[in-house]
Amino acid sequence: EPEVTQTPSHQVTQMGQEVILRCVPISNHLYFYWYRQILGQKVEFLVSFYNNEISEKSEIFDDQFSVERPDGSNFTLKIRSTKLEDSAMYFCASSGASGGPHNEQFFGPGTRLTVL
Amino acid sequence: AQKITQTQPGMFVQEKEAVTLDCTYDTSDQSYGLFWYKQPSSGEMIFLIYQGSYDEQNATEGRYSLNFQKARKSANLVISASQLGDSAMYFCAMRGATAGGYQKVTFGTGTKLQVIP
Repeated sequence: EPEVTQTPSHQVTQMGQEVILRCVPISNHLYFYWYRQILGQKVEFLVSFYNNEISEKSEIFDDQFSVERPDGSNFTLKIRSTKLEDSAMYFCASSGASGGPHNEQFFGPGTRLTVL
Repeated sequence: AQKITQTQPGMFVQEKEAVTLDCTYDTSDQSYGLFWYKQPSSGEMIFLIYQGSYDEQNATEGRYSLNFQKARKSANLVISASQLGDSAMYFCAMRGATAGGYQKVTFGTGTKLQVIP
């Protein structure tokens, strides 16, 4: 069964450093998303991406964040200068061709980011 | 704006018994989807079940069923014959239909279910 994969599973970084979180969505999906979950809290939407551009973003997704689809398979989230409060689990998700409200998003296993 | 409310931070259920996890939602969209996800202690998010706003029948997937009451804006998850492996965090979520069709999923705060042997 096709699945979303994410690497690394755990990333530790120093405050102020740049990190890139990587995701490989399901191959025939066209809509891609990043979410984050601070430990013990609910999952929060960050950004959605379609047709090589951001289609929607939350107030969390400020200038420190960027997303890119550098090739036909990878989808990345970059945090330019990490802060302590960026420590969280980051989930990538993808959904199928229509992207409408009646299509579930399939989540990857997550990358746990720890900022020291 | 969309909002999901899960009022049960934690629930216990005896193995083999049924349990209902509550979820209410608020949206101004006419077309929306409701989802339940399971998050085990390992952290991954596992899709369980989906209910469309225009679906007249309640969704079922194996031991999971969604008790959809549109007028009350509730979408409760019912797990029948609970198993020890059902112990996890459960999130109710929804997607609306905004312009462009690229909708975010809004999550509730979750309910931690513990199945007792």
